[in-house]
Amino acid sequence: DTGVSQDPRHKITKRGQNVTFRCDPISEHNRLYWYRQTLGQGPEFLTYFQNEAQLEKSRLLSDRFSAERPKGSFSTLEIQRTEQGDSAMYLCASSTTGFDYTFGSGTRLTVV
Amino acid sequence: DAKTTQPNSMESNEEEPVHLPCNHSTISGTDYIHWYRQLPSQGPEYVIHGLTSNVNNRMASLAIAEDRKSSTLILHRATLRDAAVYYCILRDSGGSNYKLTFGKGTLLTVNP
Repeated sequence: DTGVSQDPRHKITKRGQNVTFRCDPISEHNRLYWYRQTLGQGPEFLTYFQNEAQLEKSRLLSDRFSAERPKGSFSTLEIQRTEQGDSAMYLCASSTTGFDYTFGSGTRLTVV
Repeated sequence: DAKTTQPNSMESNEEEPVHLPCNHSTISGTDYIHWYRQLPSQGPEYVIHGLTSNVNNRMASLAIAEDRKSSTLILHRATLRDAAVYYCILRDSGGSNYKLTFGKGTLLTVNP
């Protein structure tokens, strides 16, 4: 296993467009997390899946954001009607025990 | 999650030891102390964790105060590749979601 993969690495989109990011976690990890990071800040928790069930969503996750993890494997994060304030690094992480957290390299979103 | 306090930045010389402090005066008995670091354009990576006793691994050592209200991450011989943002995080072992709450961390600069 090569770790957590995220695709794409970079995305530039026009305001108002929809974007979708993909995360492939470590295969034996049943927990999957999405975080958002803006410049100069630490990552902020967005949402958490245990297997295919989305068990927690942050207040940061507005109605324009939706995440899925079909079949408990890969996950997607979609942002509808993007705004300039959505520009950030979107990080995915996976874990089983909480001591084996592994992050991907992230998707950098720029909304112009 | 309990709050941690870290210096915004620290500077070190190559091949010298580095002591990165973290205060967590409101730590509870079930909180683990985790350290992660984030290199430029990368996701955070796990460094070390501990509960009460000092811990060593191939990357670093973690010294935990007897009252657990502070801890210190020790890099024994800093290299240029250790230049990163270091995050000290408390994670409640009693919770089930294992999410991490990041602060701003300490930006470590290593001088050649």
